[in-house]
Amino acid sequence: GDSVTQMEGPVTLSEEAFLTINCTYTATGYPSLFWYVQYPGEGLQLLLKATKADDKGSNKGFEATYRKETTSFHLEKGSVQVSDSAVYFCALSEIQGGTSYGKLTFGQGTILTVHP
Amino acid sequence: DTEVTQTPKHLVMGMTNKKSLKCEQHMGHRAMYWYKQKAKKPPELMFVYSYEKLSINESVPSRFSPECPNSSLLNLHLHALQPEDSALYLCASSQIGGLTGELFFGEGSRLTVL
Repeated sequence: GDSVTQMEGPVTLSEEAFLTINCTYTATGYPSLFWYVQYPGEGLQLLLKATKADDKGSNKGFEATYRKETTSFHLEKGSVQVSDSAVYFCALSEIQGGTSYGKLTFGQGTILTVHP
Repeated sequence: DTEVTQTPKHLVMGMTNKKSLKCEQHMGHRAMYWYKQKAKKPPELMFVYSYEKLSINESVPSRFSPECPNSSLLNLHLHALQPEDSALYLCASSQIGGLTGELFFGEGSRLTVL
């Protein structure tokens, strides 16, 4: 079945440091890939997405590129802020025949803490 | 602002109580979902409704009873819960057969069972 593997956390950084959170996946079809973010005490928010190979999703200074050859979707940000402290989930949605099944497969999540 | 609205945001109930969680969306989505999430863990799928019919039940105990009265509303009825059922319950919606498979999540209802 489909699976998503995220780098183990937690990740602790100083403000303005560079962030990378690794994500790799296995899927039988051609999935869409997502990064969701969950701030303390809140629900899940879509951070960015990519639907085909070499697509780059970007939002709020975060970027991730859909790499089919390495089955990866690593999240990066050049300069993190204290307000970026949250839990980050990589996820995929199986797409077959051009349509989705509507089920998300999540990674285990990475806790990011940014200190001033 | 989220386009999936969940109420209540917080709920405390005893093991003998009956309560309900409510979810509403006005994006025209015909698939709606209930997820359960423990602290700092990924959400776990509970139920999926497609065109107001239950299409997936991930072997959820019968003390959780979902209901989809119309295409915009999704309820989760709770009865005789256990303390281990304390969690954040997330509602989500999506297009059916959409091109991207994106789910839109609400802010969640945080449930505490005493």
